[in-house]
Amino acid sequence: QITLKESGPTLVKPTQTLTLTCTFSGFSLSTSGVGVGWIRQPPGKALEWLALIYWDDDKRYSPSLKSRLTITKDTSKNQVVLTMTNMDPVDTATYYCAHRRDAAAGHYFDYWGQGTLVTVSS
Amino acid sequence: SSELTQDPAVSVALGQTVRITCQGDSLRSYYASWYQQKPGQAPVLVIYGKNNRPSGIPDRFSGSSSGNTASLTITGAQAEDEADYYCNSRDSSGNPLFGGGTKLTVL
Repeated sequence: QITLKESGPTLVKPTQTLTLTCTFSGFSLSTSGVGVGWIRQPPGKALEWLALIYWDDDKRYSPSLKSRLTITKDTSKNQVVLTMTNMDPVDTATYYCAHRRDAAAGHYFDYWGQGTLVTVSS
Repeated sequence: SSELTQDPAVSVALGQTVRITCQGDSLRSYYASWYQQKPGQAPVLVIYGKNNRPSGIPDRFSGSSSGNTASLTITGAQAEDEADYYCNSRDSSGNPLFGGGTKLTVL
């Protein structure tokens, strides 16, 4: 059974750096075709993909946020960490991590964490 | 262009069929995946690839694609299908891309 859970601060101040951890179980991030992605959703708004890291350490970032994001993995701990610098109130959102599968049948996020609400406010 | 466009809102009478569409140039090259999101919950994958349903997703959900448009069809919509639906594909660089979402109301 695949599960993912996000953890990190619920409140950050403007200009601070946000660090979120995704702890997962039920799969290995060493398996070909597997990745873990981060997606966020501001209150009442749409999903926005942020970053993705694959089993081979290939890293992908949203072009609009690339300068502020870093994604890393610790395969031994079954964790993926996302950092986002220079936080702003517009970054207030629920942040999700999700299991990514790239296969001949398609490319998709098939398991999601419950999400964690991060509020940016002074 | 690297965008996926969805109608903001769609409604369907209980038991009827509804199609939710997603348009974008990347859909000519990549399959879409579809996600259902109910208030206060994480998204759930309902369709991926050509027309595949994860385990536990009712067979009233189906997917199709033609040209630059992907569609999610619900045949015999139920009250519990009322939710937001998001399409996802890839941009020209191969990165994930979400549509703006469609709010489905079941009347």
